[in-house]
Amino acid sequence: GAGVSQSPRYKVAKRGQDVALRCDPISGHVSLFWYQQALGQGPEFLTYFQNEAQLDKSGLPSDRFFAERPEGSVSTLKIQRTQQEDSAVYLCASSLRLAGLGTDTQYFGPGTRLTVL
Amino acid sequence: QKEVEQNSGPLSVPEGAIASLNCTYSDRVSQSFFWYRQYSGKSPELIMSIYSNGDKEDGRFTAQLNKASQYVSLLIRDSQPSDSATYLCAVFNSGAGSYQLTFGKGTKLSVIP
Repeated sequence: GAGVSQSPRYKVAKRGQDVALRCDPISGHVSLFWYQQALGQGPEFLTYFQNEAQLDKSGLPSDRFFAERPEGSVSTLKIQRTQQEDSAVYLCASSLRLAGLGTDTQYFGPGTRLTVL
Repeated sequence: QKEVEQNSGPLSVPEGAIASLNCTYSDRVSQSFFWYRQYSGKSPELIMSIYSNGDKEDGRFTAQLNKASQYVSLLIRDSQPSDSATYLCAVFNSGAGSYQLTFGKGTKLSVIP
């Protein structure tokens, strides 16, 4: 079966532009996560969805960042008025069951590399 | 502030040797512990998970957890050049409405043929 897919794989934006990053999780996976990975760093948690409910958005760095998963499958991470410090790889991950169990494997997508000029 | 600390490396070992990767974490109520491998330009992939104190072995990999010392490690036996990658330690804690997997910065491993 297909893994987690993300699009676009690469995105170049001018400072101030809005961008939308898409994640298609593994079919049937309840949990979906977004992470931001800067160069030379580990992934940093942004937000978590259980089906369509956004249960944790404590990692979103500012109100310019917004995520949604309206039908409990595909998710979009939107960044408004992009800044240079937003340049990073944005990773999406999904897992089969509820995140609260803490034991499920998170399967990562290939990521979207965002460069803000 | 939940923190996960790893030596950034690089850690260089000769082919066939044992590679030892270490990780400490700050949150005592952490529940689950994971080791991910990330090749350059690729996404992380899970190689080991461990939930209780002691050792867990899977092929050439052994994870060790000591919750009293807030320490988790990964041993790679018979290291191969294909093991050269960055190894990320990750800690999960779902307390107080948080569902965060907190990653360390990763340790870069180089296995020298």
